[in-house]
Amino acid sequence: GAVVSQHPSWVICKSGTSVKIECRSLDFQATTMFWYRQFPKQSLMLMATSNEGSKATYEQGVEKDKFLINHASLTLSTLTVTSAHPEDSSFYICSAKSGGTTDTQYFGPGTRLTVL
Amino acid sequence: SQKIEQNSEALNIQEGKTATLTCNYTNYSPAYLQWYRQDPGRGPVFLLLIRENEKEKRKERLKVTFDTTLKQSLFHITASQPADSATYLCAWASGGSYIPTFGRGTSLIVHP
Repeated sequence: GAVVSQHPSWVICKSGTSVKIECRSLDFQATTMFWYRQFPKQSLMLMATSNEGSKATYEQGVEKDKFLINHASLTLSTLTVTSAHPEDSSFYICSAKSGGTTDTQYFGPGTRLTVL
Repeated sequence: SQKIEQNSEALNIQEGKTATLTCNYTNYSPAYLQWYRQDPGRGPVFLLLIRENEKEKRKERLKVTFDTTLKQSLFHITASQPADSATYLCAWASGGSYIPTFGRGTSLIVHP
């Protein structure tokens, strides 16, 4: 089956620093990748949708200058949390799909970000 | 706005019984509903998709039903096992964007 990896699986950083999270589709080409944030016992909240080679589309309320998304290839998307603050601490999950309107999304294992 | 509602209380059942989880949505009927399993500290894993013109879908011990009149989907696990213990998420997607909106999930605990 399709596999999506994320790196790192967890990260602890100081307030004010930037953190980059990578999302890779290992055995398929992902035309679309999604970035979600999940707080404890809450649902997955979509942050942005990115298509390879074009700018990401951000959901309402998500600061695009704070959460930089790059989808430079069909197998890699990155999320950079700039000037992270404790309130950015969360579980960040990416997903990818290969194409079409109803193709299944395959999720990565998630990245736990803790900002001190 | 569209809402996806899943029972926030954990469902506790005995091994071997059938677990039934509920997903209700408001307003518009989706193009399809998806069910995912999520284990603690892990990303969701896709289980089943049911489209608006389908009544029922099965996969091994799993069954999903879709009632557009009740605006509800039911997710069943037959012959449940302790290994089925996890949080199960329902996701709704419209015909416009096909980007799923997720419910909060329901925690299932299967006792041996």
